[in-house]
Amino acid sequence: DIQMTQSPSSLSASVGDRVTITCRASQGVNNAVAWYQQKPGKVPKLLIYGASTLQSGVPSRFSGSGSGTDFTLTISSLQPEDVTTYYCQQYTSVPLTFGGGTKLEIK
Amino acid sequence: QVQLQQSGPGLVEPSQTLSLTCAISGDSVSNNGAAWNWIRQSPSRGLEWLGRTYYRSNWNNDYAVSVNSRITINPDTSKNQFSLHLRSVTPDDTAVYYCTSGWAFAIWSQGTMVTVSS
Repeated sequence: DIQMTQSPSSLSASVGDRVTITCRASQGVNNAVAWYQQKPGKVPKLLIYGASTLQSGVPSRFSGSGSGTDFTLTISSLQPEDVTTYYCQQYTSVPLTFGGGTKLEIK
Repeated sequence: QVQLQQSGPGLVEPSQTLSLTCAISGDSVSNNGAAWNWIRQSPSRGLEWLGRTYYRSNWNNDYAVSVNSRITINPDTSKNQFSLHLRSVTPDDTAVYYCTSGWAFAIWSQGTMVTVSS
C-alpha cells in the first residue's frame, strides 16, 4: 500500500497568511494526487486533482504542486472560511489511500 | 450532473452484515470509463477507501486488504445502483459511510452514519 504522510497535522495561521500543507507518498504516485477540504459534519470537497489542476468552482487562492513523492497544497491568502481540515489522496494504485489530515485554525 | 443517493440502516448489530445501496443519477453504473467506490470515515481510521466496482467489458472489483475477507460490492444494472455488503461487523466498523465515483472524488453521496451496536 502507498502511505500518504501529511504534515503538519495541525496549523495555526492568520487571515491573509500564505499557508502550505505537505503530503509525502511512500512511493512515486505519477502526480495522481488529490486534495480535499472537509468542514465539520460535511462531505469532503475536491479542491485539486492531478496534483495541480484546480477543480471547477474552487477559488484561485488554492493551488497544488509537486511531483514524484512530495506534494503541497497552498492557500495564497488565508480566508476565515478556509479554517477547517484538509486531506490528500493518491489514486495511482489500489488501495486508494488518504493522508491523515491537517486541521487549519485561525491564530 | 452526476448525483449519488445512498440508503441503508444506521444501526447494525455485531456479527451481522452491513448493507448500503448507492443510487446513481446522471451516469450509468455500466459506464466503461467510470468507477464506483465505497469509503468510510471514523475518528480512529480517518478516511478509508473500502473498494470499488467498475465495468471494462466485464465487471471488476478491487477491495482494501483490511476488509477483503468480509466485503462485497455489487453493481445492479437494472436499478442503476451499486451496493456494499460488509459481513461480520464489529464496533470497529462504526463510521460514516460514503459512496463516490471516479478516482479523484468530485462526487460524493450524502453519507450514512452506521453504528455497530447491540
